[in-house]
Amino acid sequence: DIQMTQSPSTLSASVGDTVKITCRASQSITTWLAWYQQKPGKAPKLLIYKASTLETGVPIRFSGSGSGTEFTLTISGLQPDDFATYYCQQYSSHRTFGQGTRLEIK
Amino acid sequence: QVQLVESGGGLVKPGGSLRLSCAGSGLTFSDYYMSWIRQAPGKGLEWISYISRTGTALHYADSVKGRFTVSRDNAENSLWLQMNSLRVDDTAVYYCARERAGVPIVDDWGQGTLVTVSS
Repeated sequence: DIQMTQSPSTLSASVGDTVKITCRASQSITTWLAWYQQKPGKAPKLLIYKASTLETGVPIRFSGSGSGTEFTLTISGLQPDDFATYYCQQYSSHRTFGQGTRLEIK
Repeated sequence: QVQLVESGGGLVKPGGSLRLSCAGSGLTFSDYYMSWIRQAPGKGLEWISYISRTGTALHYADSVKGRFTVSRDNAENSLWLQMNSLRVDDTAVYYCARERAGVPIVDDWGQGTLVTVSS
């Protein structure tokens, strides 16, 4: 099975900052990668798929990049609503999540 | 509007069984792959099973293979997860999820149902 590793596990930032979360796959997944946001007590929400395609309705401060085994989620100009946990998910072979990155207020 | 409603969670002893249900509405159930995804308390997401539109293709994570069985009835807009030989580390919120047509990502989630395995 393909393993997904996110870094960092926790990220502290301030409103207005630009942050990057990395996701690495144990083997090439081309661009079959999605990113989700989850807030406490809620189901996750899809942000990005095919590594860089923004889901309808998601603010443009969210962007994704990468291919092969290394991917990045960038949030430019953090807003208070963005403090949450983020997960990557590969769908090249079955489906696997990364372990998550908690974005907290500094 | 798509709605997925899980039921069947609760407290069960180690070694016991439980059957989760997911009722779908607002969608043509047979058009979509469906999945079960779980989240242990304070932990990350784990994709544990998916089932194809007709139910002919199934997949399980290694952590549940041989113990859990996924099934569906498109006429009833229903999805099930039969969980046997439950272990303490199966304790989690279990989500029913609808995948996007042709793309194995989740568009819709249920509210989740909590399964607690404890003696």
